[in-house]
Amino acid sequence: AQTVTQSQPEMSVQEAETVTLSCTYDTSESDYYLFWYKQPPSRQMILVIRQEAYKQQNATENRFSVNFQKAAKSFSLKISDSQLGDAAMYFCAYRGSTSGTYKYIFGTGTRLKVLA
Amino acid sequence: DVKVTQSSRYLVKRTGEKVFLECVQDMDHENMFWYRQDPGLGLRLIYFSYDVKMKEKGDIPEGYSVSREKKERFSLILESASTNQTSMYLCASSTAGAGTEQFFGPGTRLTVL
Repeated sequence: AQTVTQSQPEMSVQEAETVTLSCTYDTSESDYYLFWYKQPPSRQMILVIRQEAYKQQNATENRFSVNFQKAAKSFSLKISDSQLGDAAMYFCAYRGSTSGTYKYIFGTGTRLKVLA
Repeated sequence: DVKVTQSSRYLVKRTGEKVFLECVQDMDHENMFWYRQDPGLGLRLIYFSYDVKMKEKGDIPEGYSVSREKKERFSLILESASTNQTSMYLCASSTAGAGTEQFFGPGTRLTVL
C-alpha cells in the first residue's frame, strides 16, 4: 500500500526567507502524481503545486517549487521569499495512475509559521 | 471558479443522533470524496464516489454511510453519532483522471456530545 510521510509537524520561517518542507512516499507504481496542498487557518484547502512522476523537470509555481527525487521517493516543497500569507498547514499527497485507483493518499501535514 | 459547499461550518449533535452532512459542487465533477481531518493524522478518506449512485469505501468507513443520488451532491451520514466521531469533515471533488486537482469545501466541524 502507498504511504506518504511528512516528518516535520511544524516549521517556522522568517518573512522573506526560504523554507523547505519535506515529504517522502512509498509506492511500487512507476507512474503517479504528487501534490502539495495548502490549508490556511479557517479557510479552504487549495492546490499549491503538482508533479507528474514521469516528468524529470521539477514543477514551479511562482515562489513555490518542488525538489522531486523519484529514486529516493522524496518530494519537498520550497517556498521562496516567504510571506505572512504563506502561514498554513501544508499537506503532501500522492495519487497513483493505475486505472481504478481513485484514492489520494495524504500525509499528516506540516504547520508553517511565518515570523514578521 | 469551482465551488464546493458544505451545509454547515459547525455542528453540535448528541450521541446516538443520526447526522447528515451535505456537500454540493457546481462544476459537474465525476468524483466526490469525504475526508476526516484530525490533528496529527492528516486527512483520512471515509468514502468516495466516482459516479452517481456509485461509491467505494475509503480507509475508515466504519460508522459512516454515503449517498449520491445526483451528480452534484454527495452526502455523508453518521447512522448513530458517537463521541469519537467528533472531528473536522472535508468534502472534495475532482474530474476523472489521475492527475487532476481536488477542490475542497470549507469543512464542517462536528462535535458529538
